[in-house]
Amino acid sequence: QTVVAQEPSFSVSPGGTVTLTCGLTSGSVSTSYYPSWYQQTPGQAPRALIYNTKTRSSGVPDRFSGSILGNKAALTITGAQANDESDYYCVLFMGSGIWVFGGGTKLTVL
Amino acid sequence: EVQLVESGGGLVQPGGSLKLSCAASGFIFSGSAMHWVRQASGKGLEWVGRIRSKADNYATAYAESVKGRFTISRDDSKNTAYLQMDSLTTEDTAVYLCTRVEGDTATKEFDPWGQGTLVTVSS
Repeated sequence: QTVVAQEPSFSVSPGGTVTLTCGLTSGSVSTSYYPSWYQQTPGQAPRALIYNTKTRSSGVPDRFSGSILGNKAALTITGAQANDESDYYCVLFMGSGIWVFGGGTKLTVL
Repeated sequence: EVQLVESGGGLVQPGGSLKLSCAASGFIFSGSAMHWVRQASGKGLEWVGRIRSKADNYATAYAESVKGRFTISRDDSKNTAYLQMDSLTTEDTAVYLCTRVEGDTATKEFDPWGQGTLVTVSS
């Protein structure tokens, strides 16, 4: 069974840049997986950040960007702020109507 | 305001059933695909399943973990989606959230999200 893999945790300094990735245990992520990214803080519903690989959702600052890096989808945060400290999830479209979330990355800003 | 509100969660015994509802407002419900996602306490998001619009014959798809036990339906006249859960196990204990995809396409995001309803499976 193919699993969507994300870094369990990541740390970035305030003002720094961080790239979170979303890969497959078997195969490469391409735009055909329509990767999207969600931010979730404790006790809150997820918030859409990026969809269809690199399109920012409404109201999302341009500090957030999406791409394909090598064989993975990537979410890059530039100029990290304290309120970026959250859990970040990617989700991939696997075909036949099936979507699979990654395990999430806990981002710490310190 | 675009909004989704889940209801119907609660405590149920293993082997039991529960039906969740997701009431939508502020957007054209009938044209959207509706998805269910769950999150166990302290764990990540898990996609559960989705139902497409009438234009796509209300087609459904499910995660392997719930296939054959869970059924998603919708009533466009009530702007409501449902998640019927049968043969529940303790592994199904989670907050269940509904979300939509505008225009029922893989090229759009899951947005908005409801706040979720808690399902606890325990004896």
